[in-house]
Amino acid sequence: GDSVTQMEGPVTLSEEAFLTINCTYTATGYPSLFWYVQYPGEGLQLLLKATKADDKGSNKGFEATYRKETTSFHLEKGSVQVSDSAVYFCALGSGQGAQKLVFGQGTRLTINP
Amino acid sequence: NAGVTQTPKFQVLKTGQSMTLQCAQDMNHNSMYWYRQDPGMGLRLIYYSASEGTTDKGEVPNGYNVSRLNKREFSLRLESAAPSQTSVYFCASPGQNLRGYTFGSGTRLTVV
Repeated sequence: GDSVTQMEGPVTLSEEAFLTINCTYTATGYPSLFWYVQYPGEGLQLLLKATKADDKGSNKGFEATYRKETTSFHLEKGSVQVSDSAVYFCALGSGQGAQKLVFGQGTRLTINP
Repeated sequence: NAGVTQTPKFQVLKTGQSMTLQCAQDMNHNSMYWYRQDPGMGLRLIYYSASEGTTDKGEVPNGYNVSRLNKREFSLRLESAAPSQTSVYFCASPGQNLRGYTFGSGTRLTVV
């Protein structure tokens, strides 16, 4: 079945560092790909998405490109801030009709000032 | 504000007790979902409802039942709670083609 694999966490960086969180997927067909962010004590929020190959999703300085040839959707940010500390989930949308999300295991990111 | 509302936010149960987690959405979406979140495992789908009057099993349905009461409400019931059901539960509702996929704030359940 469909699956998502994220890089193991936790990840700790200093403020203004460059961030990459790797995400690869296995899926039949052409799924949509997502990054969600979860701040402490909150639910998940959609960060960005891409619906077809070579699409780039972007939001709040984060970017990810849908790479069909490498089945990847890596999350990047050029200069992280303390406020970016959260858990990040990569997900793919699968299924017909009622599309279901399949999530990676999450990567906890901590940014130190 | 438009969104997904879950109750309760926290709950402690004894093994064997039952409870119902409530979820309501005011976005007029057809589909609704229940996920559980466990450390190191991401979110796993328990049950979903593609439309009012229909429900289907997800990845981890054992020990749970659901009811799609109307278009707004989708409840999750634990008939006889077990410690393995200690988790954080999220209700979610996506729009067409996963646009506006919105999560509730979660229910932290502990079964002792």
